[in-house]
Amino acid sequence: GEDVEQSLFLSVREGDSSVINCTYTDSSSTYLYWYKQEPGAGLQLLTYIFSNMDMKQDQRLTVLLNKKDKHLSLRIADTQTGDSAIYFCAESMDSNYQLIWGAGTKLIIKP
Amino acid sequence: DGGITQSPKYLFRKEGQNVTLSCEQNLNHDAMYWYRQDPGQGLRLIYYSQIVNDFQKGDIAEGYSVSREKKESFPLTVTSAQKNPTAFYLCASSVREQGDSPLHFGNGTRLTVT
Repeated sequence: GEDVEQSLFLSVREGDSSVINCTYTDSSSTYLYWYKQEPGAGLQLLTYIFSNMDMKQDQRLTVLLNKKDKHLSLRIADTQTGDSAIYFCAESMDSNYQLIWGAGTKLIIKP
Repeated sequence: DGGITQSPKYLFRKEGQNVTLSCEQNLNHDAMYWYRQDPGQGLRLIYYSQIVNDFQKGDIAEGYSVSREKKESFPLTVTSAQKNPTAFYLCASSVREQGDSPLHFGNGTRLTVT
């Protein structure tokens, strides 16, 4: 079945770039999303990319999509303490209405 | 400001009791969803509704029930039949059915059943 995989943790130093990776199995995905969840809160949409795009940039965020390898990444430039959160990737597919979610990557910022 | 309101933020219940979680949105979105979140897992879809008076089961609907009598409201009842109800519950909405329409989430309700 469809699956989305992410590493559970990523630790980076404040000021460095963070790269959060996601792999998915279904090649018929249409949109791929990145959501951010701060402790005890709901998820907020960070950015999304349509499957016919390779890259999308939005201020400090860069999303890269490699359809051949079914690999999605989120790069956060100049990581700040406020970026400390869990980051979820999710894919939507042509075939049905549902999003398939990764388990989330907890981003830990070291001073 | 438009948004989704979930209440209460924390809820405690004894085993064997039904409990209802509230979700209200003023975004004028057609579609609404309930997800369950457990530590170290992705979100799992419980129920969703694309239109008033209609809803469909998600992947883990057993032991849960919903209603959609108004566009703005999509309450979730966790029944005593749900074997492991302690979790963080998230309500979401979207302009149209998810897939090509981003989800907007509430801040969640943490349910603890003892």
